[in-house]
Amino acid sequence: GAVVSQHPSWVICKSGTSVKIECRSLDFQATTMFWYRQFPKQSLMLMATSNEGSKATYEQGVEKDKFLINHASLTLSTLTVTSAHPEDSSFYICSARDSGWREQGDTQYFGPGTRLTVL
Amino acid sequence: AQKITQTQPGMFVQEKEAVTLDCTYDTSDQSYGLFWYKQPSSGEMIFLIYQGSYDEQNATEGRYSLNFQKARKSANLVISASQLGDSAMYFCAMREGPLPGGFKTIFGAGTRLFVKA
Repeated sequence: GAVVSQHPSWVICKSGTSVKIECRSLDFQATTMFWYRQFPKQSLMLMATSNEGSKATYEQGVEKDKFLINHASLTLSTLTVTSAHPEDSSFYICSARDSGWREQGDTQYFGPGTRLTVL
Repeated sequence: AQKITQTQPGMFVQEKEAVTLDCTYDTSDQSYGLFWYKQPSSGEMIFLIYQGSYDEQNATEGRYSLNFQKARKSANLVISASQLGDSAMYFCAMREGPLPGGFKTIFGAGTRLFVKA
């Protein structure tokens, strides 16, 4: 089956620094990628929808200047957490759909997640 | 407004028995998709089963079946013959669309399942 990778799998950084998380579709082209955030023991919250070659669509309440998303190619989307603070510590999960996705039931592939800890 | 409701924060089941995880949803769309995902402690999201709003028969995938009651807007997951490896967090999700920008999948709060030996 299709594989989505994320790098790094975990990262610890100091408050005020920026962290970049990569999401790659390994064997398919992903015109759309999704970024989710999950706090401990909570659900996945959609942060933004990233379309290749265009600006990301952010969900209400998500700061676009804080969470920079770039989807420069059909296989790579990046999420940069700028000036990270301890409250940004979370599990970030990306997801991608195949460019041929037309039906609601088509599979959405999830990455393994990136655990960010901001000290 | 919350669109996916999972009222069971935690569930216990004896190994080899069946268990039902509840999920209700709210949408004004006629066309939508319902999903169940499993998230073990490793964090990966594992797709289990899908039900389309126009599907007349309940979806089944091995030991997983989805009890779809459209009028009640419920999509309960039934796991038969529970195994120790089924212990995990289970999320119900709904995909609406197409919306501007495409489909969007939203998740319920999740139910943690504990399988007892």
